[in-house]
Amino acid sequence: EIVLTQSPGTLPLSPGERVTLSCRASENVVSSPLAWYQQKPGQAPRLLIYGASNRATGIPARFSGSGSGTDFTLTISRLEPEDFAVYYCQYWGKTFGQGTKVEIK
Amino acid sequence: EVQLVEFGGGLVQPGGSLRLSCGASGFTFRNYWMTWVRQAPGKGLEWVANIKQDGSERWYVDSVKGRFTISRDNAENSLYLQMSSLRAEDTAVYYCARDAKFQLDFWGRGTLVTVSS
Repeated sequence: EIVLTQSPGTLPLSPGERVTLSCRASENVVSSPLAWYQQKPGQAPRLLIYGASNRATGIPARFSGSGSGTDFTLTISRLEPEDFAVYYCQYWGKTFGQGTKVEIK
Repeated sequence: EVQLVEFGGGLVQPGGSLRLSCGASGFTFRNYWMTWVRQAPGKGLEWVANIKQDGSERWYVDSVKGRFTISRDNAENSLYLQMSSLRAEDTAVYYCARDAKFQLDFWGRGTLVTVSS
């Protein structure tokens, strides 16, 4: 069973900063089933990235995904106030990472 | 517009049962796998179960096998989760989500299940 480990657990940042979130798989995986979600307090998760690097419909261009093998990355080029949230990676529509909280510094 | 609306949550005693429902609209329900995901208070997301378009395949996380049953009614555009032998650790918000093969592209707002005496 694939285990996804996200780091860091919490990331204090300021608006305008560049963000890089990591998702590491316990073994080599194919890229197509790797997805990223954003969840704000009291809301359902929202799909951001699928296939490791494809933005979902309506997702701003400041969000990008990359990676292969065991290491995957979600990048937010310039943090907007509405981007402070928890981010999860997921493999094959099932296994989730434990999440990274992006909080205001 | 794709919409998923869960209902049926509530307070139930340990060992009790509950049936969650999810109504779907805005897409051809019978063409998609569907999934239940849960989130315990203050915790991360946990995949619970999914079901194939025609109901012929159903998969569960180990912790709910033998206790939970996922089902669907394509004529009614509805997804269900029958939960029995409920435990305190099943307390969570339960989300239904559309499964676009490798990712969950639309989610409902969730329904809270609390297992407590």
